[in-house]
Amino acid sequence: GAVVSQHPSWVICKSGTSVKIECRSLDFQATTMFWYRQFPKQSLMLMATSNEGSKATYEQGVEKDKFLINHASLTLSTLTVTSAHPEDSSFYICSARDTENTEAFFGQGTRLTVV
Amino acid sequence: KNEVEQSPQNLTAQEGEFITINCSYSVGISALHWLQQHPGGGIVSLFMLSSGKKKHGRLIATINIQEKHSSLHITASHPRDSAVYICAPGSNYKLTFGKGTLLTVNP
Repeated sequence: GAVVSQHPSWVICKSGTSVKIECRSLDFQATTMFWYRQFPKQSLMLMATSNEGSKATYEQGVEKDKFLINHASLTLSTLTVTSAHPEDSSFYICSARDTENTEAFFGQGTRLTVV
Repeated sequence: KNEVEQSPQNLTAQEGEFITINCSYSVGISALHWLQQHPGGGIVSLFMLSSGKKKHGRLIATINIQEKHSSLHITASHPRDSAVYICAPGSNYKLTFGKGTLLTVNP
């Protein structure tokens, strides 16, 4: 199947700093990428939908100024957690949809710990 | 009431047993995914189906659109099948996720 690479797989940062997470589709073009967050023992929750070349669509309750999403090319979307706080500590995961079908391809996820 | 209900929440089996995980949903869907999440967190898509039945190796997934119900079956379970299995129905590729079923297969 197609491969989605997410980087980094884990990161520890200090409160107030920003962290960028990358999501790349390695062997297909992804017109749409999705960013999810998962708190311990909770379901994955969609944060935002990222479309190449346009602004991301954020889910209700997700602060667009705090979670900056950029989808500048058909193979790369980035999520930047700005001014991180301990409550932002979570597992973030992306998925990508190719232009040919609606199959889901997920990245490996990023475990963010804010101290 | 949750939009996606999975049962059981936890399942422990002996190697070789036949496993069934159920998923009921209330959201409108165009397709339903079954996902596997290992302890490290990475997610693998096992199936995407919109009708009928699909089989891949020892895994079988079925869906009944009218009853809004899907099942994931594992035949001849193995310890390496131990993981969280997540049901995710979706429309226009916006997925709603179940809380997952933690499967532990003992040797």
